[in-house]
Amino acid sequence: GAVVSQHPSWVICKSGTSVKIECRSLDFQATTMFWYRQFPKQSLMLMATSNEGSKATYEQGVEKDKFLINHASLTLSTLTVTSAHPEDSSFYICSAREEAGLREQYFGPGTRLTVT
Amino acid sequence: DAKTTQPPSMDCAEGRAANLPCNHSTISGNEYVYWYRQIHSQGPQYIIHGLKNNETNEMASLIITEDRKSSTLILPHATLRDTAVYYCIVRAANSGYALNFGKGTSLLVTP
Repeated sequence: GAVVSQHPSWVICKSGTSVKIECRSLDFQATTMFWYRQFPKQSLMLMATSNEGSKATYEQGVEKDKFLINHASLTLSTLTVTSAHPEDSSFYICSAREEAGLREQYFGPGTRLTVT
Repeated sequence: DAKTTQPPSMDCAEGRAANLPCNHSTISGNEYVYWYRQIHSQGPQYIIHGLKNNETNEMASLIITEDRKSSTLILPHATLRDTAVYYCIVRAANSGYALNFGKGTSLLVTP
């Protein structure tokens, strides 16, 4: 149980275009999901906290108008990178927090974004 | 959440036990010690967590000192597939906040 999926697993896009990444909790409901970004040889850095039915909370330094987060249901959150640039190339990872028990976080497999 | 300190890298021979240390001297009484690992280009994988007693599961053992200021993750028979970055994270139970990842320990298991 407690599986989180991401789609796509990798994507290549041209500079200036937008890319949408989906994060789904497959067998549990998640009111809260988190989005992380990881650059090569660095640790995961939290970008934002996504709450179902409300606006996301962004970490300092993360542009909310560039990284659009939508959490329209209890099993799906999306991250849209708008007007992508090469410096947005990174590994994007989501996690979903279960609402029962110890409210553990489960991670998706990640999405590799390359902007050319 | 309390801060943790881990060595940046470690090596281990295949088949031997890998012992990964973590210092968390400012841990509070209600904070758990969690261990995750991240294999290259994959999402983090939960390994184990504990409060004050030693814990064991099919993946690893967690030894927490009596004063709870440090812990050791033990992989009893390391394989090449255990090569990964291992993260020790301290957080309160039922925390609504995201897990904060430090730099972790890069474990290399060699043949």
